[in-house]
Amino acid sequence: QQPVQSPQAVILREGEDAVINCSSSKALYSVHWYRQKHGEAPVFLMILLKGGEQKGHEKISASFNEKKQQSSLYLTASQLSYSGTYFCGTEHGSSNTGKLIFGQGTTLQVKP
Amino acid sequence: DTAVSQTPKYLVTQMGNDKSIKCEQNLGHDTMYWYKQDSKKFLKIMFSYNNKELIINETVPNRFSPKSPDKAHLNLHINSLELGDSAVYFCASSQAPQGPQYFGPGTRLTVL
Repeated sequence: QQPVQSPQAVILREGEDAVINCSSSKALYSVHWYRQKHGEAPVFLMILLKGGEQKGHEKISASFNEKKQQSSLYLTASQLSYSGTYFCGTEHGSSNTGKLIFGQGTTLQVKP
Repeated sequence: DTAVSQTPKYLVTQMGNDKSIKCEQNLGHDTMYWYKQDSKKFLKIMFSYNNKELIINETVPNRFSPKSPDKAHLNLHINSLELGDSAVYFCASSQAPQGPQYFGPGTRLTVL
């Protein structure tokens, strides 16, 4: 079952904040976040494992709510370079295969 | 230094032909993947190998056959190409099956 991301698209001005949500109907083992710029490959941002972890990466951080089966990606003080499509990839069960099911993506556009 | 490389970058071919895409990683990773990204940007896992052993084999037509001659290489052979096979195919690798995945630049396959 594909996780659902919201919003589908967001437009920001430089310096504004954004939150991207990823919800699953199945119990989550881990959540990966990736960013893909147009015409390029997805780039790894961070992994969150079950346990309600929160991780940070400069001005980009994420949380994982195991009970609600969802993860949120927080982008603060956005920069032009943040533009792209953000994907969450969910892993279910500890099968140790690395099988990720990706959401449909959230397109983020940061304007000057 | 290129971490995950794919050849060719573009592939245009006629229906019914057979083609191969090659992938190599120089990261020393044990796990490699093939993904298909369609025109709506939906990213879907196809296959995964860990230490040359097939560990993920999604519901993919058997016209698609992966082959891993060694840990650093994972190739994808497609027989009897169909119009619906047109997509961008990404190779990825990770240190272990549940680790961050690093994507190659992609191969854009167009079937005419």
